[in-house]
Amino acid sequence: GAGVSQSPSNKVTEKGKDVELRCDPISGHTALYWYRQRLGQGLEFLIYFQGNSAPDKSGLPSDRFSAERTGESVSTLTIQRTQQEDSAVYLCASSLWTGGNEQYFGPGTRLTVT
Amino acid sequence: QKEVEQNSGPLSVPEGAIASLNCTYSDRGSQSFFWYRQYSGKSPELIMSIYSNGDKEDGRFTAQLNKASQYVSLLIRDSQPSDSATYLCAVIDSGGGADGLTFGKGTHLIIQP
Repeated sequence: GAGVSQSPSNKVTEKGKDVELRCDPISGHTALYWYRQRLGQGLEFLIYFQGNSAPDKSGLPSDRFSAERTGESVSTLTIQRTQQEDSAVYLCASSLWTGGNEQYFGPGTRLTVT
Repeated sequence: QKEVEQNSGPLSVPEGAIASLNCTYSDRGSQSFFWYRQYSGKSPELIMSIYSNGDKEDGRFTAQLNKASQYVSLLIRDSQPSDSATYLCAVIDSGGGADGLTFGKGTHLIIQP
């Protein structure tokens, strides 16, 4: 079946602009996660959605970051007033459920803030 | 602060040999453990998951878990040049499951033909 998809694959934006990144999880997966990977760095957890529950936003680095998810489908990660330090690959993952279940990653969106 | 430690490498192994990758973690509450492979410029690909002490084998890959020592390892038998990649160890506290995977920074593995 289809894996996790993300769009766009690449995004170049000017400092101060807002960007929206999209993730479409594997069909039937109830949990969805966003991660960030800066160049040469490890993966950093950002936010997690489980079904219709309120998201766990504990990893969001600032209030310029927000995310939404409609039911158990598409999620969008929005970064407002982008800064150069936001340049990174943003990865989305989904899993059947939480509680330690296996997470499968999408191809990522490479964001470059100029 | 949960931490996952890996030797960054590079770890160089001749083709056909066994590659051994190691990982330690700080949170004793960690319940689920994963190995991901990441090729340069690509996203992480799940290789193995392990949840209980002991060994778990899948093809050429064997994951080993020792919760008492807070240690996870990955063995790759009959290493191939296509195994050259960065291997990421990740853990999760399934008690809540709410804070995502904690990743190590990865070990860069090079398989020499």
